[in-house]
This record gives sequence, C-alpha cells and structure tokens, in this order.
Amino acid sequence: ELKVEQNPLFLSMQEGKNYTIYCNYSTTSDRLYWYRQDPGKSLESLFVLLSNGAVKQEGRLMASLDTKARLSTLHITAAVHDLSATYFCAVASMDSNYQLIWGAGTKLIIKP
Amino acid sequence: NAGVTQTPKFRVLKTGQSMTLLCAQDMNHEYMYWYRQDPGMGLRLIHYSVGEGTTAKGEVPDGYNVSRSTTEDFPLRLLSAAPSQTSVYFCASSRQGTNYGYTFGSGTRLTVV
Repeated sequence: ELKVEQNPLFLSMQEGKNYTIYCNYSTTSDRLYWYRQDPGKSLESLFVLLSNGAVKQEGRLMASLDTKARLSTLHITAAVHDLSATYFCAVASMDSNYQLIWGAGTKLIIKP
Repeated sequence: NAGVTQTPKFRVLKTGQSMTLLCAQDMNHEYMYWYRQDPGMGLRLIHYSVGEGTTAKGEVPDGYNVSRSTTEDFPLRLLSAAPSQTSVYFCASSRQGTNYGYTFGSGTRLTVV
C-alpha cells in the first residue's frame, strides 16, 4: 500500500530565507504532483514530475523528483509572504493510474 | 473558462438526511474525481470516473454514490448523512492519463449535525 509522508507538517519562516519541504513515499511510482492551497480555498496545481531526475521551477519554487530514493523536494528560495499556504504532494499509485495518494500537507507561514 | 464548478459551497444537514453535491466541468476532461479533505489527513478519494457511463470506488466510498451520465457532470450523493461525513468535499477533473495535473473545484463545506 502506497503511503506518502510530508515533512515538516508546519513551517514558520522569515522572508528572504530558503527552505525545503520533503515528500517521501513508500512504494514505486514515477508520477508526483505538488499543489498549493490557500486557507479556505481550492487546490492549485504547481508541478507535475513525471520521471526520475525531473526538476521544475516556477518563480521562487523549485521541485525535484528522485524515484530511486522515493523522494521529492519543494525548495523555496528567498521566501516572500505571498508564498504562505499549505503545500501538498500527491503520488500516483502504480496499482491504479487514476488514484493519487496525498500527503497530509505542509502549512507554511512566512513572516514579513 | 469556468473550469470545475461545485454547488453548493456550504451546507448543513441533519443526521439521516440525503443530499447531492453537484460538480460540472467544461474542459471536456475524461476523468473526474470526488475527494474529501479532513484536517491533518490530506485528501482521500471517494469515487472517480474515467469516462461517461463509468464509475469506480476510491479509498473511502461507503455512504456515497456517484453517476456519470454525461462527460460534464459528476454528482455525489450522500444517502443518509452521518456526522462522520462532516468534511470539505472537492471535485476535480483531468485529461486522460497521469501526465496532467488535476483541476479542482472550489469545494463544498458540509456539516452534519
């Protein structure tokens, strides 16, 4: 059974700092997704990572995937207040191409 | 583009009542999904559909059913509401295959008392 763990679950940081959110998963998969959710809002797709070594960047966010280590990272560079949100990773189960297994989310607060 | 539209946004039900959460998408996506989101638990898949006329159970299907009579619509029915079904419900859609991210609706916050 595929399990997805994110850490940390809560992160409070200052503007201008760098930090990394980790997403570990327990069984083989080569599809990983990152989403952002603002409080009381829906989920917004950030990145789709489809192969080992995939790296994608959008502004101050960069995501990578290491399928051998079963690990994805979401790196935040020079954080700004607008990046405050909850970030979720989701991994496609190889048992079913249609089912994503979600991490519990990382609540990120960036203080001005 | 409207994307994925969910109605209602909020609802309070009494235990034992039934209701239907509506979901419609205008992107001609083949796949549609219903999730529930509970604090600290991420999202859990209730039911999904890979095309018109098809449905399948997800991780937590008990107490819910769905139908997919058109490509656009994927309603979720609560048969007899229970307090354990208090949650935020999200509908999502995607193109065929896992190469694409999901587009989510704005969610329905349901409270069962």
